[in-house]
Amino acid sequence: KAGVTQTPRYLIKTRGQQVTLSCSPISGHRSVSWYQQTPGQGLQFLFEYFSETQRNKGNFPGRFSGRQFSNSRSEMNVSTLELGDSALYLCASSLDRTYYEQYFGPGTRLTVT
Amino acid sequence: KNEVEQSPQNLTAQEGEFITINCSYSVGISALHWLQQHPGGGIVSLFMLSSGKKKHGRLIATINIQEKHSSLHITASHPRDSAVYICAVIDSGGSNYKLTFGKGTLLTVNP
Repeated sequence: KAGVTQTPRYLIKTRGQQVTLSCSPISGHRSVSWYQQTPGQGLQFLFEYFSETQRNKGNFPGRFSGRQFSNSRSEMNVSTLELGDSALYLCASSLDRTYYEQYFGPGTRLTVT
Repeated sequence: KNEVEQSPQNLTAQEGEFITINCSYSVGISALHWLQQHPGGGIVSLFMLSSGKKKHGRLIATINIQEKHSSLHITASHPRDSAVYICAVIDSGGSNYKLTFGKGTLLTVNP
């Protein structure tokens, strides 16, 4: 069974631009969660999608948004990028809720200059 | 706000030693994950538990719900165990089931 895939793996953007990251979950998994990892804050929860609906959201500004498609693939978008948005963005899929085992993708390394 | 505290932050061991990493949290949870992250970023879920104890190979995870505490043990540690180990709790407050993470424990096992 193929694992969780994320594209692109690396991305360099400039301040003020917007970016879209993509995540394809394991086949059959309906829940996709997104996380941000930075050296200072560690891992932080962004949001979770299930059946095309956002079920949970972390404490991030409205510049961070996401969506899920009918095939469970998910995208997250960050608008008006700031230097502090430089981070590793990880998605994870699970069968249902976060209390099921989570399978993480390799992440997208975003650098904002 | 649910805080997750891990100790120690850094741990250096010699190959073969018994390792213990601790995780404490402050509010009620649905379950707890132990994650392993190698250099380069890849994260693997080691255990997900809500009570008692789980074992997988040389790894053992325990949780005490009353004391709000979990431990990850590695027996007969090996240099390939060198990684960051992260504890994450599933906060079940209300209808939210989001993960809150500890800062991680950097384990280095020397040959």
